[in-house]
Amino acid sequence: EAGVVQSPRYKIIEKKQPVAFWCNPISGHNTLYWYLQNLGQGPELLIRYENEEAVDDSQLPKDRFSAERLKGVDSTLKIQPAELGDSAVYLCASSPGTEPPGEQYFGPGTRLTVT
Amino acid sequence: DAKTTQPNSMESNEEEPVHLPCNHSTISGTDYIHWYRQLPSQGPEYVIHGLTSNVNNRMASLAIAEDRKSSTLILHRATLRDAAVYYCILRDGYNQGGKLIFGQGTELSVKP
Repeated sequence: EAGVVQSPRYKIIEKKQPVAFWCNPISGHNTLYWYLQNLGQGPELLIRYENEEAVDDSQLPKDRFSAERLKGVDSTLKIQPAELGDSAVYLCASSPGTEPPGEQYFGPGTRLTVT
Repeated sequence: DAKTTQPNSMESNEEEPVHLPCNHSTISGTDYIHWYRQLPSQGPEYVIHGLTSNVNNRMASLAIAEDRKSSTLILHRATLRDAAVYYCILRDGYNQGGKLIFGQGTELSVKP
């Protein structure tokens, strides 16, 4: 079974430029998460989707970040414009449901460097 | 979600058992104890979870104190591949689909 796929794996951009990250979750997983991980820290949730609906986006900086999951499958996270402080690893995860253990499966992440 | 406390780092020798502690003194009755680990340059991966009883799976064992205020993840024979950051996370049993709240975790190094 294929895992969570993310692309690109690495991205270097200049500040004020736009950037987008793509995630394809495990087939059949209705719940999709985007996490942000700063160096030396644990991941922090940006947004959670149940199918097409964003059910928790309270930590998403909506002035510059946006996300979509149009058909309830793959998802795109966008930053426009990027700032130096956005340099981090962006992780996508998916989960088959809400019953215990509610295990989340993570992709390898996209490492963003803003110069 | 309740807070957990873990040592910042631990060392182990290869092929020896490793006991990774976690304190969660404010755990509520419906909180499950989850462990994830993150290998270098990878996303976190699920290890094990439990509620009250000790649990075993192919990766590890989870020992839960009788008062549930602490738990220990046990790797029975550490390998070099087990070098990772280990996160102890509490999840509300009524919100298993919600976000994972990661702390600092314990960075485990394994010496040959």
